[in-house]
Amino acid sequence: IAGITQAPTSQILAAGRRMTLRCTQDMRHNAMYWYRQDLGLGLRLIHYSNTAGTTGKGEVPDGYSVSRANTDDFPLTLASAVPSQTSVYFCASSLDGSSYNEQFFGPGTRLTVL
Amino acid sequence: GQNIDQPTEMTATEGAIVQINCTYQTSGFNGLFWYQQHAGEAPTFLSYNVLDGLEEKGRFSSFLSRSKGYSYLLLKELQMKDSASYLCAVKDSNYQLIWGAGTKLIIKP
Repeated sequence: IAGITQAPTSQILAAGRRMTLRCTQDMRHNAMYWYRQDLGLGLRLIHYSNTAGTTGKGEVPDGYSVSRANTDDFPLTLASAVPSQTSVYFCASSLDGSSYNEQFFGPGTRLTVL
Repeated sequence: GQNIDQPTEMTATEGAIVQINCTYQTSGFNGLFWYQQHAGEAPTFLSYNVLDGLEEKGRFSSFLSRSKGYSYLLLKELQMKDSASYLCAVKDSNYQLIWGAGTKLIIKP
C-alpha cells in the first residue's frame, strides 16, 4: 500500500441498507477525515479523527458514524442509507491537525443510493 | 456563517497566464490551501499560505492578503494538463478546512 486506499471504488445501494466505506493509510498519519463532494458544492467534512481512539463531528455528520480503532484505518458507516447520501466520498489524512500540514486524499468512493 | 467564494469556471489559452481568485469569511484563520482536482480524481495539494504575500512554486504562485480575506492562484505558461478544478480552502479556528466549490479551468489550444 502506498498512501491512502479506499474501498469500494463505487457502489449502488438500495435505500435502507447499511454500508461501510473503508479507508486505510500507511503514512502513519495521526489525523484522518471523511468528506463528501457534491456537484456545485465544496467538500464537506462528515467526521474526523485527530488521533487513534478519538473522533469528532464535522459539518454534516447526520446519518454517518465512524470509528478509529488504530492509526491506519478509518471506516465510515451509513446505518440506513437514503438517496440524499448519493455522493462521492473522499477519505483524507494529515500528519496531524495543525495548521500547516496538508491533507492527502484517497481516490474516492462513488456511492449511489436508490 | 463561513463562506469561501471562487468563480465557477474560467477559460484560458495554452501558454498564457491565468489568475484564480478566492475570497473568504471564516471564524478564525489558520492558513489557506490551494488544491488541484482533475475530473474523476482526488484533490492534490498545490500550496499553503499563512502570512501575507506571494509564495512561488515553479509555474504556480499563490498570494494571500489576510486583511482583505483574499487569495489568488496564478498559473503561468499554461499547459493542457492544467485543465482541472482548483479548490481554495481555509483552516478555521477549529483547525478544520472550509472548502470553496472550486473553479473549473478550461485550457484551449
